[in-house]
Amino acid sequence: QVQLQESGPGLVKPSETLSLTCSVSGASISSYSWNWIRLTAGKGLEWIGRIYITGSTNYNPSLKSRVTMSADTSSNQFSLKLSSVTAADTAIYYCALEGYRAAYTMDVWGRGITVTVS
Amino acid sequence: QSALTQPPSVSGSPGQSVTISCTGTSSDIVTFNRVSWYQQPPGTAPKLIISQVSNRPSGVPDRFSGSKSGFTASLTISGLQAEDEADYYCCLFTSTTSDVVFGGGTKLTVL
Repeated sequence: QVQLQESGPGLVKPSETLSLTCSVSGASISSYSWNWIRLTAGKGLEWIGRIYITGSTNYNPSLKSRVTMSADTSSNQFSLKLSSVTAADTAIYYCALEGYRAAYTMDVWGRGITVTVS
Repeated sequence: QSALTQPPSVSGSPGQSVTISCTGTSSDIVTFNRVSWYQQPPGTAPKLIISQVSNRPSGVPDRFSGSKSGFTASLTISGLQAEDEADYYCCLFTSTTSDVVFGGGTKLTVL
């Protein structure tokens, strides 16, 4: 059974960089594509970006200038960095596995981590 | 970037059926089966309930069904139950840029 677990600080100061890690069990991050998605009050779910098995990435155009994703195959984890954060980046951040059982779907989600910018 | 529009809220009584629409501006909805639906009860993570427009993952009750017509995808929940009360999101994987777009979400209230 595939499980994902987000970790990182729950409080980040404005203008600093938000850094989160997603730990994966039950699947290798050398397979599939891995995503970050956030839930903000009043805006709903917002896709942040994905990292492919090749290590290449693609990001939401609205966040692209501030987002960096990377993967560590030795620890089976992938990470998100979001720079120059503001209060608008306060959200629940989820990591998600894409295409595990069906193409073009987010099949498996982590439980989410609440990040407050203040 | 493509936009997906959902009604902010829908409601129904137990046993009734409700349909949530998801209307997009991208021809990807018409051309490809790349729309999925997610259920998010309060305080929990989203859960996949419909993939590729109309496929139900194992474990999802057959009360949930998906369809599309033109630029609109739809989620129908029949035989409403109290446990169905949640936020529902549609999602599209675009073809040209491989971006992912979510609808604004619909809050389902079971009266």
